Amino acid sequence: DTGVSQNPRHKITKRGQNVTFRCDPISEHNRLYWYRQTLGQGPEFLTYFQNEAQLEKSRLLSDRFSAERPKGSFSTLEIQRTEQGDSAMYLCASRSVGGSYEQYFGPGTRLTVT
Amino acid sequence: DQQVKQNSPSLSVQEGRISILNCDYTNSMFDYFLWYKKYPAEGPTFLISISSIKDKNEDGRFTVFLNKSAKHLSLHIVPSQPGDSAVYFCAAIFGDNNNDMRFGAGTRLTVKP
Repeated sequence: DTGVSQNPRHKITKRGQNVTFRCDPISEHNRLYWYRQTLGQGPEFLTYFQNEAQLEKSRLLSDRFSAERPKGSFSTLEIQRTEQGDSAMYLCASRSVGGSYEQYFGPGTRLTVT
Repeated sequence: DQQVKQNSPSLSVQEGRISILNCDYTNSMFDYFLWYKKYPAEGPTFLISISSIKDKNEDGRFTVFLNKSAKHLSLHIVPSQPGDSAVYFCAAIFGDNNNDMRFGAGTRLTVKP
């Protein structure tokens, strides 16, 4: 299966701790997106990369959040000093530039901050 | 700001009948619309899309209709099957950048055997 993969699938952490999630996109896709989804809502855009360049960040992405895609392949999303309000599903998606507009999503990482 | 709205949180239909899921948007600058389906513990899966220059797109049992004057789109599933039971999200993309998608809150469809 060559779809988008995310690790870990679940993460439970205590408030104030740092967490890091990983996303491996579909290999030929040069755009990679991060979304956050809370209960009863649709996914909300956080940031996106084209190759290794981070080109856009949502105002939802506070300074405690940082994302990287160092070699234009996998990406990491780090949350520092987690808060209970950070509890959500974090989704990664990818697509290729010039292709169709649909983004392909991974299964997500569910974060619970206690 | 909720630019894409799905006002029905849930819908229940009988197997074999038509399912109609609705979506409204507020920003006339959206130029591409998509429907995604989501099963529990999985990420959203692309279903069907439509460009703003069209008013209908069909793919097998799934048809999306776009009414630009009303800023409304709908997804029709005919005939509905129990395996269609999932949460359906409407999404929209802005013009040239086509970067971030704006999603509605989703409608949970239940198809009863």
